[in-house]
Amino acid sequence: EPEVTQTPSHQVTQMGQEVILRCVPISNHLYFYWYRQILGQKVEFLVSFYNNEISEKSEIFDDQFSVERPDGSNFTLKIRSTKLEDSAMYFCASSGYEAFFGQGTRLTVV
Amino acid sequence: KNEVEQSPQNLTAQEGEFITINCSYSVGISALHWLQQHPGGGIVSLFMLSSGKKKHGRLIATINIQEKHSSLHITASHPRDSAVYICAPEGYGGATNKLIFGTGTLLAVQP
Repeated sequence: EPEVTQTPSHQVTQMGQEVILRCVPISNHLYFYWYRQILGQKVEFLVSFYNNEISEKSEIFDDQFSVERPDGSNFTLKIRSTKLEDSAMYFCASSGYEAFFGQGTRLTVV
Repeated sequence: KNEVEQSPQNLTAQEGEFITINCSYSVGISALHWLQQHPGGGIVSLFMLSSGKKKHGRLIATINIQEKHSSLHITASHPRDSAVYICAPEGYGGATNKLIFGTGTLLAVQP
């Protein structure tokens, strides 16, 4: 069974620090996504990535956020100058015919 | 108004009961996903549908594209089915392949 792998599973960071969330998508997939879920709320779309560039981003995905695929296998989400309200579960997903989700990274900003 | 409406929001069932969760959406889509989320957060894809009906074990998903409605059924429910079930249309409005998530249905199956 193919799987999407996310690291770390938990991250605690101080407000104002930069964090990088990592994902290894399924190797033959072409579309990659980041979603987030604030505690008690529904999952929200952040950004989609195709052909080594952003194909779509939400209003949430402002200049504080960036994504890249540095080495052809990893897919990263960088959050600069973290804020308390960035605390959430962040999910990576990749899709070919079906969508597969990682187990998520729980980010806590203190 | 939410783009994706699920009902019920909470559901408690006795083991063995037949369960139905409904999802409606307001614009055209290319496909619809049913997802399962357990406490602790991981999301598992159950089905992707673009028409008709799919069955996997005790789970059945149906979609009516014209009526913009989908249902997830669980036959012979079991306590291990307890989770949040999420409807997530794809290709919302025709311009994108991201998923738009519903608020989820929290299912508790009691022994």
